[in-house]
Amino acid sequence: GAVVSQHPSWVICKSGTSVKIECRSLDFQATTMFWYRQFPKQSLMLMATSNEGSKATYEQGVEKDKFLINHASLTLSTLTVTSAHPEDSSFYICSARAGASSTDTQYFGPGTRLTVL
Amino acid sequence: LAKTTQPISMDSYEGQEVNITCSHNNIATNDYITWYQQFPSQGPRFIIQGYKTKVTNEVASLFIPADRKSSTLSLPRVSLSDTAVYYCLVVIPGGKLIFGQGTELSVKP
Repeated sequence: GAVVSQHPSWVICKSGTSVKIECRSLDFQATTMFWYRQFPKQSLMLMATSNEGSKATYEQGVEKDKFLINHASLTLSTLTVTSAHPEDSSFYICSARAGASSTDTQYFGPGTRLTVL
Repeated sequence: LAKTTQPISMDSYEGQEVNITCSHNNIATNDYITWYQQFPSQGPRFIIQGYKTKVTNEVASLFIPADRKSSTLSLPRVSLSDTAVYYCLVVIPGGKLIFGQGTELSVKP
């Protein structure tokens, strides 16, 4: 149980284009989903937290107009990187949590490798 | 300022017990401490979580002292496949989630 999928697993795009990444909880309903970014040899950095049906809460320094997050259902959240630039190249990982409490376990997706040319 | 500290790397041999400690000087009083394992180019995988004292599951044990200023992940009898990066995840006052810097464990034959 507690499986989270991401699609695509990797994507290459040209600078200036937009890329959408999907995160799905396959066998549970996720009240809360999180989006992280991870650069090589570094820890995960939380970008934003989203609760189903409400606007995402972004971490300090993360541009909400650049990283659009939609959590329209209890099993799907999407991250859209708008007008991507090479510095946005990174490993993007989502996680999902069944409950709203921070004591509930987060389960992570496999990640999406974004390369912006 | 809340901060977590983990050793950057550790080396071990197959069959040994490995203990990885995460120091967290200011965490929320009512939240769990969680440990994850991550292989290259994969998402973190849940290992274990606990609130205090000792928790054990089929893959690891977690020791948390009464002051909750640290936690120690214990991996019994590691194998080559346990080579990975291990992260602690804590919640600080206010509800923000903080990942540790990660400990790169290398298991040698």
